[in-house]
Amino acid sequence: AQRVTQPEKLLSVFKGAPVELKCNYSYSGSPELFWYVQYSRQRLQLLLRHISRESIKGFTADLNKGETSFHLKKPFAQEEDSAMYYCALIKGGSQGNLIFGKGTKLSVKP
Amino acid sequence: KAGVTQTPRYLIKTRGQQVTLSCSPISGHRSVSWYQQTPGQGLQFLFEYFSETQRNKGNFPGRFSGRQFSNSRSEMNVSTLELGDSALYLCASSLATGTGGGYTFGSGTRLTVV
Repeated sequence: AQRVTQPEKLLSVFKGAPVELKCNYSYSGSPELFWYVQYSRQRLQLLLRHISRESIKGFTADLNKGETSFHLKKPFAQEEDSAMYYCALIKGGSQGNLIFGKGTKLSVKP
Repeated sequence: KAGVTQTPRYLIKTRGQQVTLSCSPISGHRSVSWYQQTPGQGLQFLFEYFSETQRNKGNFPGRFSGRQFSNSRSEMNVSTLELGDSALYLCASSLATGTGGGYTFGSGTRLTVV
């Protein structure tokens, strides 16, 4: 079965420290992977997708098919990065729903 | 352009009642998906509609149903409400179904069943 695992419920770092939010997935095909972010009192929004290979707000994520991982990284955390982060995959084809991990709450302390 | 609009924002219902939630997608988006968000289970997929057809359904009981209109607006209905249905219900729209489409989410409808 398709599954997305985010092993950390809460990740707390100090401002300026590197951040890595872990995401592992299980899927037999070639999924499309996403990171969504939900800031306090705001709607869930797309942060980045693996096919774009882009950096958004300093965050990057590389798809590692061998390790079935899609970890989110940022070299220097900022206080405004504090939010809930959700890793998700989409199966594609005619069954295009997102499968989400349980989320990791990132807290960046001053 | 306007984002995904969900109405109402908040609802309080009694056990056994039914409820209808509404979602207006971004103009031009034809795919609408619904998700249930709870502290315990996280975000769980309910169903997806594309061009008025249900394309995919999650693992929820038949009390949860939905539909999509010709203007792509979607409604979901929950009948015979249970306490466990209390959740934030999110709607997401995208241009197409399947791969390639980033989904845009609404602010959600907070349903409380008492």
